[in-house]
Amino acid sequence: SYELTQPLSVSVALGQTARITCGGNNIGARNVHWYQQKSGQAPVLVIYRDLNRPSGIPERFSASNSGNTATLTITRAQAGDEADYYCQVWEGRTGIFGGGTILTVL
Amino acid sequence: QVQLQESGPGLVKPSQTLSLTCTVSGGSISGGDYFWNWVRQHPGKGLEWIGYISATGSTYYSASLQSRVTMSLDTSENQFSLRLTSVTAADTAVYYCARAVPPPGVVVTLDGFDIWGQGTMVTVSS
Repeated sequence: SYELTQPLSVSVALGQTARITCGGNNIGARNVHWYQQKSGQAPVLVIYRDLNRPSGIPERFSASNSGNTATLTITRAQAGDEADYYCQVWEGRTGIFGGGTILTVL
Repeated sequence: QVQLQESGPGLVKPSQTLSLTCTVSGGSISGGDYFWNWVRQHPGKGLEWIGYISATGSTYYSASLQSRVTMSLDTSENQFSLRLTSVTAADTAVYYCARAVPPPGVVVTLDGFDIWGQGTMVTVSS
């Protein structure tokens, strides 16, 4: 079955740029969706179909997808961006999540 | 706007059946090309997709759970449900319901889960 690989953790200094990767075999050929999950809360969709932001998601959140890696980029990182981030794709009719990345803002 | 709310027992005994309901408010459960999903999260772990039921009642389940999972739709109550049989401690998790829709003009895949319930913790223990 298809697998998505994320780093366990990423740290970023306040106000700097964080990049969270999601690796998968030829993931560039798939639509990748990204979720933010703050402690004790439900996940929130922050990017859909590789690079689209739902309404209400700040422009600081962007993403790309090419080759074997999709990347979520958070510019001007804020303390409120501390959360777990998950990538997700559909493999046929099956939903697949990456293992999640803990983002720490220093 | 559309909101989802899970409900059901917080404690289930081993070998019994876990039953949860997701109530959809602010919109019709069958009013569009919607796919209603269940996702769970074991304590301290990542997200696991369980399956979905479409607005027309077709279902698709995770291969690892399909032998124990049943999902159903109640359009009169605007709810959809999850049943997981023969539960063990490994089924202890927060269970979320979530909506997904296909991209415009596309039928072979779905977009991301755009609306989530708040989640409900289910513990399997005697």
